[in-house]
Amino acid sequence: DADVTQTPRNRITKTGKRIMLECSQTKGHDRMYWYRQDPGLGLRLIYYSFDVKDINKGEISDGYSVSRQAQAKFSLSLESAIPNQTALYFCATSGTTGGPNTGELFFGEGSRLTVL
Amino acid sequence: AQSVSQHNHHVILSEAASLELGCNYSYGGTVNLFWYVQYPGQHLQLLLKYFSGDPLVKGIKGFEAEFIKSKFSFNLRKPSVQWSDTAEYFCAVEMRAAGNKLTFGGGTRVLVKP
Repeated sequence: DADVTQTPRNRITKTGKRIMLECSQTKGHDRMYWYRQDPGLGLRLIYYSFDVKDINKGEISDGYSVSRQAQAKFSLSLESAIPNQTALYFCATSGTTGGPNTGELFFGEGSRLTVL
Repeated sequence: AQSVSQHNHHVILSEAASLELGCNYSYGGTVNLFWYVQYPGQHLQLLLKYFSGDPLVKGIKGFEAEFIKSKFSFNLRKPSVQWSDTAEYFCAVEMRAAGNKLTFGGGTRVLVKP
């Protein structure tokens, strides 16, 4: 089983619809992130959370919101989807529990979202 | 704002050829540096990382990277590529004052022809 699980893996929706992407992890990490990947632009950070009570905006947070329901769960919402939010979305985790932060991110398999 | 630049968007080469991918960043402070790889249809995974010490770091699958502080660069190399190295490669930089938020480059798609 994957350590970082994203659902759904693929979703096609229409403009104006609300969409939620979910992420759960079994790595015991305290830090979780949402990135979007667009061709030629690499990965851009949408939101990140360093623990359950901590939520921070990344470089492209407009049009998105997040919820950290538990240490292991971090969901991303698009309240009213628009076509330029069509992208591949990745959840990632990293850990500091019990020792220095290694800096390595562990990624989920990705959620491909298409907004028509 | 800090940025990470990867010079080549696409690279095509034959098996056994040498590979070098460029990465430059704009940030004057202390950094942690990473190369991630994304094989077709898969998620990103860590190839190698540099935090401190020897500026030449070795990673998995025969890859290595050299940190040149004066040039703000962290170029990835492999002496002899294989078809299985076909993937997209991402350079990422963590500005240590920013607390484990990585800034990624735009990626380089590498196609190795058999």
